[in-house]
This record gives sequence, C-alpha cells and structure tokens, in this order.
Amino acid sequence: GAGVSQSPSNKVTEKGKDVELRCDPISGHTALYWYRQSLGQGLEFLIYFQGNSAPDKSGLPSDRFSAERTGGSVSTLTIQRTQQEDSAVYLCASSLDYVKQFFGPGTRLTVL
Amino acid sequence: KQEVTQIPAALSVPEGENLVLNCSFTDSAIYNLQWFRQDPGKGLTSLLLIQSSQREQTSGRLNASLDKSSGRSTLYIAASQPGDSATYLCAVETSGSRLTFGEGTQLTVNP
Repeated sequence: GAGVSQSPSNKVTEKGKDVELRCDPISGHTALYWYRQSLGQGLEFLIYFQGNSAPDKSGLPSDRFSAERTGGSVSTLTIQRTQQEDSAVYLCASSLDYVKQFFGPGTRLTVL
Repeated sequence: KQEVTQIPAALSVPEGENLVLNCSFTDSAIYNLQWFRQDPGKGLTSLLLIQSSQREQTSGRLNASLDKSSGRSTLYIAASQPGDSATYLCAVETSGSRLTFGEGTQLTVNP
C-alpha cells in the first residue's frame, strides 16, 4: 500500500557526470510523470508515460535528458553530462485515471 | 502558452484566521484545476481537484472555487491552524495530462 517512491533522496554529483534517478509508482498506475522544481522557479513538466510509451516528451530541457519506463512500472530519468543548472528537485508522480496525480518525495540533485 | 500566477507569494497569519489564496491562469481551455500542498522536503499532496465544468469543491476547512471564464481560482482556508503552514500550489491541466503549476504561496500560521 506504499505511495510513490523515489531514489536516491539526495544526489550530489560533479559537473559532467551522468546520473540516474529512479521512480517506483503506485502499483497498477498506468500513467507516470516527471517534473522538475528549481530554486526560484515553479514546478515544470518534463515527460509523462502511458504504460511504457512517452506520448509527450516536450518538457525535456535538452537532449542530455532521457527517460524510460519498463514493465509499465519503474521509470528512470537519466541526465548525461550534468551541468550546474540541472540542480533541482526532481519529482515523480503516478496516476490511475490520468487526472489525480500522486507525487513522490522527490530526488534533490546537486551538481557541483 | 499557459501561465499560472499565484498571489500572494507569502502570507503570515495568526492562528484562527480565515484566509484566501489566489490563482490565475492565462488560457481558459483547461480540463481541471488542482490545489496541492507541499511541505519542506516532501512531495506534493493533492488537496482539491475541480473539473472544468464545476464551480467549487470543499474538503473539511478547505474550499476551492473556479471561474474558468475569467481564469481565476481561490482557495479558502477557514480557521487556520499552525499545521496548515506549508506551500500551496495551484496547477491546471490543459492537454496531454500535463500540469502547469504556479510558483506557490508560502503560508505560515503563527500560534
């Protein structure tokens, strides 16, 4: 009966390194969403999945960002060659009905 | 492009006061509007969801209204308590199940 979980909760990395952020949605939720919350900015949409496919990737800020979802469950957001402006809290949400979204606690990414 | 604005950015009130948080959006073609609560270091908790055909929703001491034609929503909190201290976010769904968020109102309720 767990909610959405994300790992790691905190990640510190050096500029230029790749990072992977993981999201475990609520069991049975077909839709999965990634958002980013940067200091001084609101939450911005990155990508969402319908099952394993991503109908809308328009929010990904650059080609350094990619995401995948396997088995209609776990999703991984990968950021290649991280930059300092990638520092933010990355939030994942899942939904059963594509209306009400349940959010995880987020991963705080710091790029030094 | 949809833009969501929340006023005020921060609000500090004494315990027991009734208060109103405001949200406005530029594109009235929305599917729904949601109010969320975010506590420090935690994810978002959905408080109220108003479908585009609805005018308001109520849950306990919370009441949210929606005027789609004018692009406005308000969240009314009655008899505020210190436990209500958090950041309140307004979000609209326009297309493709994506939410556009405002920057939030940081509420502090003082005992």
